[in-house]
Amino acid sequence: SQQGEEDPQALSIQEGENATMNCSYKTSINNLQWYRQNSGRGLVHLILIRSNEREKHSGRLRVTLDTSKKSSSLLITASRAADTASYFCAIMEYGNKLVFGAGTILRVKS
Amino acid sequence: KAGVTQTPRYLIKTRGQQVTLSCSPISGHRSVSWYQQTPGQGLQFLFEYFSETQRNKGNFPGRFSGRQFSNSRSEMNVSTLELGDSALYLCASSSGGGLTYEQYFGPGTRLTVT
Repeated sequence: SQQGEEDPQALSIQEGENATMNCSYKTSINNLQWYRQNSGRGLVHLILIRSNEREKHSGRLRVTLDTSKKSSSLLITASRAADTASYFCAIMEYGNKLVFGAGTILRVKS
Repeated sequence: KAGVTQTPRYLIKTRGQQVTLSCSPISGHRSVSWYQQTPGQGLQFLFEYFSETQRNKGNFPGRFSGRQFSNSRSEMNVSTLELGDSALYLCASSSGGGLTYEQYFGPGTRLTVT
């Protein structure tokens, strides 16, 4: 089964800067979901983007999906120390299976 | 609404034993899915239940099983525990279309097999 490949594996930025994470996959998808995990709040859903959508926004988060390139990106603008966490893309395969990527570790320095 | 709850939060078992983990979904959610998270393999899908029926299963051996009750609460059972089963087990619930919608995760059960 395919797994989302995330890039970079780790990212360290200063507070106020933007952070971009990428996710690539191999086959057709129903949707792609982004999650955040930190020790305080566990695994939290951020954004779901369906295969017929190209871009979605939620607060400081922007997700794009390019099905021709089989890739998605998550942009966090004006980052804060509280954004420090691991970020995962999860690919909803046809056939009802959710496959997670290995994650990007984001560290925001204040 | 109360979030997804999982019990117990921590568990230590011996190799060869069996274990049952419990998950209570958000009220009104009919889909419950289970995941195993380890440092080496990451987050891996175990199975999803919807209205008491297993809809899909990941690539795990038959030692891993689950069930869902009529109130949507779910249990996961691992028999003949192995050291490699040590992991954080997460359950998630979802409304409507199950995995096609956002998943709400519980805090997880940390299982240690010695």
